[in-house]
Amino acid sequence: DIVMTQTPLSSPVTLGQPASISCRSSQSLVHRDGNTYLSWLQQRPGQPLRLLVYKISNRFSGVPDRFSGSGAGTDFTLRISRVEAEDVGVYYCMQASQFPYTFGQGTKLEIK
Amino acid sequence: EVQLLESGGALGQPGGSLRLSCTASGFTLSAYAMNWVRQAPGKGLEWVSVINDDGGVAYGGSVKGRFTVSRDISKNTLFLQMNSLRDEDTAVYYCAREGVPGTIDYWGQGNLVTVSS
Repeated sequence: DIVMTQTPLSSPVTLGQPASISCRSSQSLVHRDGNTYLSWLQQRPGQPLRLLVYKISNRFSGVPDRFSGSGAGTDFTLRISRVEAEDVGVYYCMQASQFPYTFGQGTKLEIK
Repeated sequence: EVQLLESGGALGQPGGSLRLSCTASGFTLSAYAMNWVRQAPGKGLEWVSVINDDGGVAYGGSVKGRFTVSRDISKNTLFLQMNSLRDEDTAVYYCAREGVPGTIDYWGQGNLVTVSS
């Protein structure tokens, strides 16, 4: 199974400041079809999981442009340009390039 | 609007069975791959199973041989039959749509399953 490792596991951030979460996979996520199926998800208290970014850097419908994804191969990053109060929650990276799909441990974003 | 509503969880006994349902609205469930993902209390996310649009299925190692995913096209509903339950199956179970291959785009609210004697 592909192991997904996120850092940091906890990220205290000041409102209006940027935040960054890293995700590293134990093997390349490049699928045989040439795509890299790496997504970022947000879990806010009492809310369904929400897709933020798919295929490394594509923002999903309705996601604010302060969220951006980057990376390639085995190293990926989610960036929030200016953290807002509604961004508090847990963020997960997820790979769907190979079964079983696997997730990072989660990064808890909180406000300082 | 895409919506997924899980039901049927609650309490099960070790060695027993439960069946979860996930009713979809706003789209035709059989046109998409549909996944089950679970989250044990205080833990991260674990992929459980998928049923593809062509009916093909796959399972995670911890549930293979015990859980069965299926769907009822007429009811636009996804199921997860869970047999030989273990304490470690205690979790919130989410159904989730794979909007395009490799991308899970919508998730249900989740349904708590507790396995305990």
